[in-house]
Amino acid sequence: IAGITQAPTSQILAAGRRMTLRCTQDMRHNAMYWYRQDLGLGLRLIHYSNTAGTTGKGEVPDGYSVSRANTDDFPLTLASAVPSQTSVYFCASSPDRDTGELFFGEGSRLTVL
Amino acid sequence: GQNIDQPTEMTATEGAIVQINCTYQTSGFNGLFWYQQHAGEAPTFLSYNVLDGLEEKGRFSSFLSRSKGYSYLLLKELQMKDSASYLCAVRDSNYQLIWGAGTKLIIKP
Repeated sequence: IAGITQAPTSQILAAGRRMTLRCTQDMRHNAMYWYRQDLGLGLRLIHYSNTAGTTGKGEVPDGYSVSRANTDDFPLTLASAVPSQTSVYFCASSPDRDTGELFFGEGSRLTVL
Repeated sequence: GQNIDQPTEMTATEGAIVQINCTYQTSGFNGLFWYQQHAGEAPTFLSYNVLDGLEEKGRFSSFLSRSKGYSYLLLKELQMKDSASYLCAVRDSNYQLIWGAGTKLIIKP
């Protein structure tokens, strides 16, 4: 099934631990994004990649890192998780950065204790 | 600063019409988007406006006034499955999407 896949769906993590959220798309989209969604707030962009091999910082990048080694994969890493990183994380992709229609993964619910 | 405002929650009756407003202040404008998000699910694209006026797509329509920094999403013939959050987003001068917090729409029989 074509689309965008995230893993894990849900995770409880101890503070200080390292965590990588995986994101894979099979639509050959150039642009990919990581957002976090918190109650009462709009989606906030963490990092983005306009094309394989390039990444950029979004609105809330601190504590997170990404890589884009190929077109399909865009993992998000929390080097040392903190409770304020408890959130729902959405990976999204679009054909290119000028296309506003984003295709979202199903989300990863992360709880940091 | 950049800001997107939309009502937190609205209630409407099945079969009726509802209008969800969105006002924005952003650094630059390269289009306005509406997404639907059911509880516990991912957002899905509904509409895109870049020029002033009304875009109609079935039961859903979206309107834009760039001079007023204003948009609305109009939902007609409401169905129970329309109960969801509706997210307004503006693409700024850096081609990044700035998102509103969403409007939770509750449909009552």
